[in-house]
Amino acid sequence: EVQLVESGGGVVRPGGSLRLSCAASGFAFGDYGMSWVRQVPGKGLEWVSAVNWNGGHTDYADSVRGRFTISRDNARNSLYLQLNTLRADDTAFYHCARKIEVPWHNAFDLWGQGTMVTVSS
Amino acid sequence: EIVLTQSPGTLSLSPGERATLSCRASQNVRNNYLAWYQQKPGQAPRLLIYGTSSRATGIPDRFSGSGSGTDFTLTISRLEPEDFAVYYCQQYGTSRTFGQGTKLEIK
Repeated sequence: EVQLVESGGGVVRPGGSLRLSCAASGFAFGDYGMSWVRQVPGKGLEWVSAVNWNGGHTDYADSVRGRFTISRDNARNSLYLQLNTLRADDTAFYHCARKIEVPWHNAFDLWGQGTMVTVSS
Repeated sequence: EIVLTQSPGTLSLSPGERATLSCRASQNVRNNYLAWYQQKPGQAPRLLIYGTSSRATGIPDRFSGSGSGTDFTLTISRLEPEDFAVYYCQQYGTSRTFGQGTKLEIK
């Protein structure tokens, strides 16, 4: 089955760190660019970060640049997001998402269900 | 950052009717790189349209997208019961940003 499954979420204090993982299966993971997109429960979507197929190029939203780090391990079919210096407004579901296999188009055609990150003292 | 404003916030229609959802950008979307997603409660978003008007794999032809520059539209020609959901637009011409969503509810 073609799917993305996130893990690693939890409750963390402000200023703390967390590492999220996304396990891909059913497709050639190493052929695709990947992103993280977050969603506050009941609210809209916010793109967080992206990485190209081989990890050589990364991009971040201004709200997380310098605090979050995206990476991937194609041998393990896995995507990661290291979250540092967490703030209350980072509280959200974090989804991993696959970029469509159409050159130049950074839309997302496969999403995971998400893992919840709660930043609270 | 390009801000996307979707309207209306909520759209109340009946099955069989036509739905028109709007997405307006604060500046031109480069190459009209705009996508639309559908999200139902408890589910991940589903890609409907990319590149303003190209339907994603498996999307019925009652969904269509149009527009250019700063004004974009998602049209659902005849609403089916399963179409009632929240819809988001996303631009990816300059970084990537999403609109705040339009809720399509049954009247």
